Amino acid sequence: AQKITQTQPGMFVQEKEAVTLDCTYDTSDQSYGLFWYKQPSSGEMIFLIYQGSYDEQNATEGRYSLNFQKARKSANLVISASQLGDSAMYFCAMREVTGANNLFFGTGTRLTVIP
Amino acid sequence: DARVTQTPRHKVTEMGQEVTMRCQPILGHNTVFWYRQTMMQGLELLAYFRNRAPLDDSGMPKDRFSAEMPDATLATLKIQPSEPRDSAVYFCASGLVTDEQYFGPGTRLTVT
Repeated sequence: AQKITQTQPGMFVQEKEAVTLDCTYDTSDQSYGLFWYKQPSSGEMIFLIYQGSYDEQNATEGRYSLNFQKARKSANLVISASQLGDSAMYFCAMREVTGANNLFFGTGTRLTVIP
Repeated sequence: DARVTQTPRHKVTEMGQEVTMRCQPILGHNTVFWYRQTMMQGLELLAYFRNRAPLDDSGMPKDRFSAEMPDATLATLKIQPSEPRDSAVYFCASGLVTDEQYFGPGTRLTVT
């Protein structure tokens, strides 16, 4: 079974609008971490935001926020006030405490911001 | 501004040749990961080091791939012999055990 599922291959958003990128995860661990990375066309992987499974508050980093719904096993990324530079691939990832400590990545969502 | 560095950034080689990719993790980070990204498979883990010790290389084809960390400032990924199906972007990432991982810029490998 996939550990991370991103069901939106592509999304479009108007500049200055907010957009939500979906992510669901599958784990039997009680302790885990959820991450979002951005990959622009240049190819680099840029860390955006982190949510720990025991964190009661949703994580926020500037225009990024993570809508964490533990019972639903979802960790959606919300980007507010979209900018043209937000156009990129976005990957959701999870790290389980047990195991190798590596990140399991979803297949990504390509976001296009329309002027 | 500490960053993970990788060399080379691009590599084109012929099938059967040896390829060595190098990574310098961020100073002070005690975990190093090698990931491979392809269109078909997405991002997949190849190898993982903690405090320079290899902990997991189950994602790596053992017959042709090898990963080492000769010192705290250098991690290497070697492919010998290379095959066209090895064409991909290879990322190195470093971090602390409980924190986020920081990725290098990647090495884009093309095997003809």
